[in-house]
Amino acid sequence: DAGITQSPRHKVTETGTPVTLRCHQTENHRYMYWYRQDPGHGLRLIHYSYGVKDTDKGEVSDGYSVSRSKTEDFLLTLESATSSQTSVYFCAISDRGGDNEQFFGPGTRLTVL
Amino acid sequence: DAKTTQPPSMDCAEGRAANLPCNHSTISGNEYVYWYRQIHSQGPQYIIHGLKNNETNEMASLIITEDRKSSTLILPHATLRDTAVYYCIVRAPLGSGGSNYKLTFGKGTLLTVNP
Repeated sequence: DAGITQSPRHKVTETGTPVTLRCHQTENHRYMYWYRQDPGHGLRLIHYSYGVKDTDKGEVSDGYSVSRSKTEDFLLTLESATSSQTSVYFCAISDRGGDNEQFFGPGTRLTVL
Repeated sequence: DAKTTQPPSMDCAEGRAANLPCNHSTISGNEYVYWYRQIHSQGPQYIIHGLKNNETNEMASLIITEDRKSSTLILPHATLRDTAVYYCIVRAPLGSGGSNYKLTFGKGTLLTVNP
């Protein structure tokens, strides 16, 4: 399995609080992605990164920001969490954005009360 | 983005071949077909991908029709551990970063392998 870890694995927080999720890889892959998964919606791309300090928005980026200061870490921040951001968040990596497959982490279950 | 259509669920007997269909009638000439699966509570797992020709690896075979409007994923000898949601995905270009491509996940097919 690709070396991808996510932390925390579970988190419960209150509306209005900031939350940061971390994705860490040991594969030295260039591309990293954040998805969220909700019943009835499948997986949806939030943000992605194509290199250190290079990021771009996905299809559901409102309310989220990301940062990538080094190759191995990709952080997803909810500046002020809302109940609609309750979801399972998956990080993925790939060594090329083109043909190569994406490897997914184990996921973080976030509950916003 | 080319959209895909998959049956919501399928059953298969353990040890038999599982054939999962996918329709992608609006696929463009340079778009690949990818298959992933997701076992309950885990992250998605890559299975196989292809452009025109049939492909085979240690997990599965991918059969793409000549007109590329549909494909079939074949698990030759299904086991109970193959019970999962299987996603057929057509890759689309992502942003303006050159070779970046996103994966758009639909609802997939829930394959249940029965003993």
